[in-house]
Amino acid sequence: GAVVSQHPSRVICKSGTSVKIECRSLDFQATTMFWYRQFPKQSLMLMATSNEGSKATYEQGVEKDKFLINHASLTLSTLTVTSAHPEDSSFYICSATLSRGATYEQYFGPGTRLTVT
Amino acid sequence: RKEVEQDPGPFNVPEGATVAFNCTYSNSASQSFFWYRQDCRKEPKLLMSVYSSGNEDGRFTAQLNRASQYISLLIRDSKLSDSATYLCVVSGGSYIPTFGRGTSLIVHP
Repeated sequence: GAVVSQHPSRVICKSGTSVKIECRSLDFQATTMFWYRQFPKQSLMLMATSNEGSKATYEQGVEKDKFLINHASLTLSTLTVTSAHPEDSSFYICSATLSRGATYEQYFGPGTRLTVT
Repeated sequence: RKEVEQDPGPFNVPEGATVAFNCTYSNSASQSFFWYRQDCRKEPKLLMSVYSSGNEDGRFTAQLNRASQYISLLIRDSKLSDSATYLCVVSGGSYIPTFGRGTSLIVHP
């Protein structure tokens, strides 16, 4: 159990286009999902908290109009990188929160490697 | 001070060695603690949760010291396949996880 999928796994797009990334919890419901980005040899950087049925909460320095997040159901959150530029090239990872009593475990999707040319 | 701190390493150990990592956290209200493993260019995977009483899973032992605000991970009889980055994750009542930068482990023959 506790499987999270992410699609696509890899995408190459031209500068100025938009890219949508999907994150799905396959066998559990997740009221909260998180979106991260990771540059090579660096730690995960939390971008935003995605809550089902409400607006996402963005971390400082993350532009909400550039990284659109929609959490339409308990099993799906999407991240859209709008008007992508080469500096947006990165590894984007989502995680879904699974409640186990008093603790909350994070299960990660396999990540999406975005390359903007 | 960073919320969650780890020694980035790398820890370079021979097969069969025992290696220990520590992770310190600054928020005394933290409630949940985890160790994740991340392989190069892959997503983090949950290795184990860390409970107050300590817990063991095969060659891996995790411990929590609330008084000193640190958690530890001990790996016994290291295997080549243990080579990875080990991430310490802490979350408080809001359950938003905070990640350490990770500790790199390299196990060599």
